[in-house]
Formats: sequence, C-alpha cells, structure tokens
Amino acid sequence: GAVVSQHPSRVICKSGTSVKIECRSLDFQATTMFWYRQFPKQSLMLMATSNEGSKATYEQGVEKDKFLINHASLTLSTLTVTSAHPEDSSFYICSAEDAPQETQYFGPGTRLLVL
Amino acid sequence: SQQGEEDPQALSIQEGENATMNCSYKTSINNLQWYRQNSGRGLVHLILIRSNEREKHSGRLRVTLDTSKKSSSLLITASRAADTASYFCATDGGMDSSYKLIFGSGTRLLVRP
Repeated sequence: GAVVSQHPSRVICKSGTSVKIECRSLDFQATTMFWYRQFPKQSLMLMATSNEGSKATYEQGVEKDKFLINHASLTLSTLTVTSAHPEDSSFYICSAEDAPQETQYFGPGTRLLVL
Repeated sequence: SQQGEEDPQALSIQEGENATMNCSYKTSINNLQWYRQNSGRGLVHLILIRSNEREKHSGRLRVTLDTSKKSSSLLITASRAADTASYFCATDGGMDSSYKLIFGSGTRLLVRP
C-alpha cells in the first residue's frame, strides 16, 4: 500500500508554545489529506479536511485559529497546534486520500504531550 | 462525530480461534472499510466493501455488509497472537460528503498465545 509519513513521531512541549506536525504522502499525490485526533482507548475523530491550494474544512467544534492547517503541495500538509495547552495532549494522525483507490492511507501518528 | 458502534468493545480469544467483530452505522454509505491499529501506531487499511457488495474475502479476513440493517462484520479466522490490535470500521459520508471517513468506536482484540 501507499506510504504516509508524519514528523515528529512524538513531541513534548511547554504550555503556550506552538507545535507543527508534518504529514507527507511519499509515493502518491494527495489533493486531500485529513487530520484526526485520538484520545487513549478511543476512536479517531476527524478534525479537518485539508485541500491542496485552498482553505481547510474544519469539523464542528474544532477551532480553526488553534489548529492551523496548511496544504501547500500535493504531498505535504501541516498541522500547527498554536498556544498549546495540556488538554491538547493527544495522538494526532493524518491520512492522505488516494482517490483512484477510494482509500485513505494513514500516517503513523504524532503523540503530543503538553506540560 | 462517530458514525456508530462496534461490538464487542473488547474481545479476548485463544490463538487459533476465530474472532468476529461487528459494526453498526447510521447513515447511507457508498462503502465501508475496516482498519487495524496496533497500540500507539497509525492505522492499516484491511479491506473495503462497497454498498452493493454483501461479502468480501482477503486472506484470513472475511467481511460482510448488510445495508438493510446498516451493519457489517469482520471475521478473522485462525487467529494469531500478531492479530492483537484494535480494529475499526469506517464509513464514508454517503452522498453529501463521500470523501470523509467516519470511524466506529473500535474493538480491542487480544489473541492469547
């Protein structure tokens, strides 16, 4: 299957700082990428849909000014958690849509811990 | 928001036994997919079944779909310890938002060696 990478795999930061997470599709172009959030022992919750060259579409209840998404190329989307707080600590997973396959391929996730 | 529920929430079986997980959803769909997640890792795509299909096989995996009951099942035959993981079903958004994936609550499977 297709490969999607995320960087960093884990990050620890102080409250109030901003953290950028990168999501890359390594062997295919993805006009659409998705960002999910997962709390321990829970399911994935879609945060936003990232569209190459246009603004992201955020799910209800997700603050767009707090979770900044940029999809500057067909292989890269970034999620920036601004002014992070301890409650933002979570597992963030991205996926990239391989449209011809009607399938999303997921990155390995980024574990964020805000102290 | 989550599409639906999966049951059981947790399942513990002996190696060699079969594991069956069920998924229910609420809205109309174009397809349903099953994913696997090892602890603290990303998701691995297992199988996709379209709304006009009733059953699909892939190796030791068998997936069924009943659109009248809005439910699907995943059967893993001859389970192995390496099958220990969480399994999620995911549906697309149907006609209005088919590009989105909406995940079920997941089943945590433990296969005892």
